[in-house]
Amino acid sequence: NAGVTQTPKFRVLKTGQSMTLLCAQDMNHEYMYWYRQDPGMGLRLIHYSVGEGTTAKGEVPDGYNVSRLKKQNFLLGLESAAPSQTSVYFCASSTSGGLAGGSSYNEQFFGPGTRLTVL
Amino acid sequence: DAKTTQPPSMDCAEGRAANLPCNHSTISGNEYVYWYRQIHSQGPQYIIHGLKNNETNEMASLIITEDRKSSTLILPHATLRDTAVYYCIVRVPKNTGGFKTIFGAGTRLFVKA
Repeated sequence: NAGVTQTPKFRVLKTGQSMTLLCAQDMNHEYMYWYRQDPGMGLRLIHYSVGEGTTAKGEVPDGYNVSRLKKQNFLLGLESAAPSQTSVYFCASSTSGGLAGGSSYNEQFFGPGTRLTVL
Repeated sequence: DAKTTQPPSMDCAEGRAANLPCNHSTISGNEYVYWYRQIHSQGPQYIIHGLKNNETNEMASLIITEDRKSSTLILPHATLRDTAVYYCIVRVPKNTGGFKTIFGAGTRLFVKA
């Protein structure tokens, strides 16, 4: 199993450009998540999904959109990138409720991260 | 809005036990405490979680005080590969449903040879 993979690993954008980050998992997990991590800080939840075709806002959703058209994929889009979106982005998945949702808890598996710089 | 407090950094000698404290004095009665770690430039990795009883798995032990206001993660025999940032996490229920997770800055553990 590859677990959770993220594409691309690195990207540099200019202000106003758009891009999509792809997260894929091969563990048949229902829940998927997008986090961002800024220097010296922990992770903050951007959006998450509790199943195919669903999405929900996390703590810092502004400036981002997501889609979950297939169970194994969770896409994070930046329509008009801003320097404030320079960060490391992590995707995660879990069988059911992870750190963000659900009455029960299951371990979240994280991807290796995407380092995004917006100039 | 901080729900957990951890020391910013700790040192531990290789082969010795590493004891990482966490204060979560405002935790509610049915909320678990979760521990994750993040090795440099990698995604976070789950370690353990618990409610009120002590927990142990192949990676670590979790000791939760009787009043549940603090806990300690114990790595019984730390190795150099355990050098990482350790996050103590509590989920906070939101009025709109779901949970808000506050990671905080964590404790940077340095294991030294």
